[in-house]
Amino acid sequence: DTEVTQTPKHLVMGMTNKKSLKCEQHMGHRAMYWYKQKAKKPPELMFVYSYEKLSINESVPSRFSPECPNSSLLNLHLHALQPEDSALYLCASSQEADRGGQPQHFGDGTRLSIL
Amino acid sequence: GESVGLHLPTLSVQEGDNSIINCAYSNSASDYFIWYKQESGKGPQFIIDIRSNMDKRQGQRVTVLLNKTVKHLSLQIAATQPGDSAVYFCAETERGSYIPTFGRGTSLIVHP
Repeated sequence: DTEVTQTPKHLVMGMTNKKSLKCEQHMGHRAMYWYKQKAKKPPELMFVYSYEKLSINESVPSRFSPECPNSSLLNLHLHALQPEDSALYLCASSQEADRGGQPQHFGDGTRLSIL
Repeated sequence: GESVGLHLPTLSVQEGDNSIINCAYSNSASDYFIWYKQESGKGPQFIIDIRSNMDKRQGQRVTVLLNKTVKHLSLQIAATQPGDSAVYFCAETERGSYIPTFGRGTSLIVHP
């Protein structure tokens, strides 16, 4: 079982809906990440939170809105998504955000389908 | 920008064989490298990592080799098992950064 928990596992939504993806880790990690992954492609970085502050936004459209309520939780709020946004959304965490290269721990993702 | 790539998108082996998955990188400032395994329906899982001050590191049935001269990274899996079937990603991190750059992935298929 992964130590990073993501809910829901699957989500189908229309283009006018508003939904949220949730991610939780209890490893005391201080960096948390959102990635988007298309089939058979590597994960693409979307956002990075470092010590609960947004530190990186990889030019993600505003229809994706991240939130970090506390050091264990990360949300991704979705609104007015497009069919091309259908993908696997992965959350990851790592121990520190300022100590150079380190392993990331990934959740199993939310499979999102936009109708 | 600089990128991390893979030589072989698909590798097919027989159970019990040794597997070698390769990865080329071009960023000379990379100093941390990691291999992930991603099974169908799962997120990437850490397999093994290596820092640029080493050229070889071994784990359980896996070995990572780093050749900084030619900017090449490889993952060797000994006695490959059907459970090793997955997509394998290499990732590199530039010195001073904590954000990895992922390679494009290799699909390993193990035939029983």
